[in-house]
Amino acid sequence: AQSVAQPEDQVNVAEGNPLTVKCTYSVSGNPYLFWYVQYPNRGLQFLLKYITGDNLVKGSYGFEAEFNKSQTSFHLKKPSALVSDCALYFCAVRALHPPYNTDKLIFGTGTRLQVFP
Amino acid sequence: DTAVSQTPKYLVTQMGNDKSIKCEQNLGHDTMYWYKQDSKKFLKIMFSYNNKELIINETVPNRFSPKSPDKAHLNLHINSLELGDSAVYFCASSQVQAGGGETQYFGPGTRLLVL
Repeated sequence: AQSVAQPEDQVNVAEGNPLTVKCTYSVSGNPYLFWYVQYPNRGLQFLLKYITGDNLVKGSYGFEAEFNKSQTSFHLKKPSALVSDCALYFCAVRALHPPYNTDKLIFGTGTRLQVFP
Repeated sequence: DTAVSQTPKYLVTQMGNDKSIKCEQNLGHDTMYWYKQDSKKFLKIMFSYNNKELIINETVPNRFSPKSPDKAHLNLHINSLELGDSAVYFCASSQVQAGGGETQYFGPGTRLLVL
């Protein structure tokens, strides 16, 4: 069964430093991977996704993620963290729901990012 | 303009009551979803509709009944509310693409508290 794991409940980083939020996946077949961000008391906002092609995917707000097939990882990165990046970050993988093989997203447990001034 | 909107934003009610949450998308998408986010922020899909047809029902209790009057709207009715139904409910929409992997766009959420 498809799944994603976010091993860190929280990541702390100083403003201006690079940040990484980790995600590993387990899928049968080619993985379709997503990152979403949830700001306090808000809905989820799409950041980026990997379907195929270049392993480095660029997304919104200066975020990028690197798909690594050998390590089954899709870590989210940003070169320079901002206090405004404080939020909950979710990694997700596409799964197919029978009987029509409908796309659905399986989410990780989320990682809270804290950026200190 | 809000792409995916939900009403109400907050809902506080007593156990045993029946309540509805409404969702509308103006993106022209053909697929809509309901997700539940529990107190630990864990997100799980509940239902999905494509062009008003139910295509995903993720073993949700019968007390939950989605209804899609047209492809721009997906409502969620909950009967006999229980304490464990307290959560944030998110609506989402997407447009089916060949090969899959379409992006889902989420609404702001409805915070349900059952007392």
